[in-house]
Amino acid sequence: GAGVSQSPSNKVTEKGKDVELRCDPISGHTALYWYRQSLGQGLEFLIYFQGNSAPDKSGLPSDRFSAERTGGSVSTLTIQRTQQEDSAVYLCASSPAVDEETQYFGPGTRLLVL
Amino acid sequence: EDKVVQSPLSLVVHEGDTVTLNCSYEVTNFRSLLWYKQEKKAPTFLFMLTSSGIEKKSGRLSSILDKKELFSILNITATQTGDSAIYLCVLSGGSYIPTFGRGTSLIVHP
Repeated sequence: GAGVSQSPSNKVTEKGKDVELRCDPISGHTALYWYRQSLGQGLEFLIYFQGNSAPDKSGLPSDRFSAERTGGSVSTLTIQRTQQEDSAVYLCASSPAVDEETQYFGPGTRLLVL
Repeated sequence: EDKVVQSPLSLVVHEGDTVTLNCSYEVTNFRSLLWYKQEKKAPTFLFMLTSSGIEKKSGRLSSILDKKELFSILNITATQTGDSAIYLCVLSGGSYIPTFGRGTSLIVHP
C-alpha cells in the first residue's frame, strides 16, 4: 500500500505568517510522530500521537507550535507567527503500534521562512 | 549534550572501499537501536538491533550492537555511489520518544 505522505513538499512563507503542514500516515498505523531537521542537525522530536491517547507534546519548541490528529489518521502541524529559525525540514513518521520501533517516514516538508 | 553521538560526522571514500560508521550512546533505558539511511528527505529503515553481540546483515551492510561498551557500528563493504547518504542512528523503545544522533554523511566517489 501507499507509504506516508506529506504536503506540501516545499513551503516558502514570510516571517509572521501561519503555516499548516499535513501528514497522511500508513493506513492502520496507530503511532504518528513529527520531527524537525535543521541543516546539519539530527532529527528533533516534536510531538507523538498514539491512538486516541493524549499526545506527547514534550518536544514542541514553543507555544507557536501545535498539532492535531483527526480520527486517528491524518495529522496537521501548525506553526503560528513563523520565525526564520523555524526554517527546517519537517518529517512525519508512523508505526504500527507504540511498541513497534520501526518507523516509516514521509518525504518531509521543507519550510523556508523569509 | 548529545546522548547519541555518531562518528565520523562526514566521510568521503571511493567506490570499493569499506567503511565503518560508529554510534555511541549514554541512554540505557531503551529497547532497540536502529539505523536509517537518509538520501534526500525521508529516512529509510536499515536495521533494528535489540541484543548485544548479534550481527545483522543485509547484502553489503552489517551492523552489531555492544550494550556493555554502549556502541553500535554499521559496516558497508565494497561501497557504491548509491551508498552516498546520511546514516542515522536512533535509540527507541524506552520512553517511546526516539533519540536520534546527528548522522554521518557518507560520500562515495566513483
